[in-house]
Amino acid sequence: AQKITQTQPGMFVQEKEAVTLDCTYDTSDQSYGLFWYKQPSSGEMIFLIYQGSYDEQNATEGRYSLNFQKARKSANLVISASQLGDSAMYFCAMREGLGGSYIPTFGRGTSLIVHP
Amino acid sequence: ETGVTQTPRHLVMGMTNKKSLKCEQHLGHNAMYWYKQSAKKPLELMFVYNFKEQTENNSVPSRFSPECPNSSHLFLHLHTLQPEDSALYLCASSQDLGQGDNYGYTFGSGTRLTVV
Repeated sequence: AQKITQTQPGMFVQEKEAVTLDCTYDTSDQSYGLFWYKQPSSGEMIFLIYQGSYDEQNATEGRYSLNFQKARKSANLVISASQLGDSAMYFCAMREGLGGSYIPTFGRGTSLIVHP
Repeated sequence: ETGVTQTPRHLVMGMTNKKSLKCEQHLGHNAMYWYKQSAKKPLELMFVYNFKEQTENNSVPSRFSPECPNSSHLFLHLHTLQPEDSALYLCASSQDLGQGDNYGYTFGSGTRLTVV
């Protein structure tokens, strides 16, 4: 069974609008971490944001915020005020804690295209 | 320029060739990882090294042979590869095993490998 599910293969958004990229996860661990990465066409994976399972507040980093709904096991990425440079693949990942290997596993990714 | 450098960026090799991929980080990290990224598949973890010791081998065929001479360098030696091994090979590092939380795991730009 997939541990990380990203159901949107592709998303389109108008420049300056907000967009939400979906991510759901599956774990029986109480301690885990959730990550989002951006991968432009150059190939490099760029770390965007992290949410710990015990963090009570949603993580935010500049224009990125993580909508963490623990009961639903979802960790959606919200990008506000989209820019053309946001066009890229976006990957959700999870690191499981005590019961896991501490190595993150990744979803299949969502391709985001920002239109001018 | 990221903290993790991978060379070469592109590699085309025949099925009978022997080549090596190189990864270098000067971030003071102790854990290093090899991932394989094929089209339309999630990132696949291949190998993990922690303090130069291999801690994970994710059922990778023996035609892939990792080497970690020190905490700053990681190699992936390739021999008698198959066309299905064509992919983007990404190297990553973290402070310690599993300790990539608030700052994520730092990835290189990858080596785009084509086996002909």
